[in-house]
Amino acid sequence: GAVVSQHPSWVICKSGTSVKIECRSLDFQATTMFWYRQFPKQSLMLMATSNEGSKATYEQGVEKDKFLINHASLTLSTLTVTSAHPEDSSFYICSAEDSYTDTQYFGPGTRLTVL
Amino acid sequence: AQTVTQSQPEMSVQEAETVTLSCTYDTSENNYYLFWYKQPPSRQMILVIRQEAYKQQNATENRFSVNFQKAAKSFSLKISDSQLGDTAMYFCAFMKYGGNEKLTFGTGTRLTIIP
Repeated sequence: GAVVSQHPSWVICKSGTSVKIECRSLDFQATTMFWYRQFPKQSLMLMATSNEGSKATYEQGVEKDKFLINHASLTLSTLTVTSAHPEDSSFYICSAEDSYTDTQYFGPGTRLTVL
Repeated sequence: AQTVTQSQPEMSVQEAETVTLSCTYDTSENNYYLFWYKQPPSRQMILVIRQEAYKQQNATENRFSVNFQKAAKSFSLKISDSQLGDTAMYFCAFMKYGGNEKLTFGTGTRLTIIP
């Protein structure tokens, strides 16, 4: 149980284009999902908290207009990187919280490369 | 604000031996959760073990056990009979009680199991 999928696993795009990453909880409902960014050999950096049916809460320094988050259902949250630039290249990881155990389960991550 | 400290950036141990990873944290909360996650080379974050602060009994999951010392704010992870598959980055994490809360991660310990 407690499986979270993430799609795509990797994506290469041109500078200026937008990229959408999907995060799904496969066997449980998640009122809350989280989006992280991870640089090489570093810990996870929380970008935003996504709540089903409401606006996401962004961490300080994260541009909400650049990283659009939509949590339209209890099993799906999406992160759209708009007008991507090479500095947005990174590993993006989502997690979904199982409300019965207050435990976050993580997706396998998406490697984004912006050329 | 909460902080989590992992003072061992890297560790290595022979296969089948026992290894202990240290974690300390600072918080003014009385009720909270503590977690250990592992991140193998695949970069998938995997939950290793979970501890609720109000429980005095240390959590155990097969070869993985913790030594939770609430007064000392210490949460170490012991891996018994270490296996090659245990090679990974290990992150200690704190979360306030109540759900929909963010995880605060330590900087991680890179563990290598030597054949």
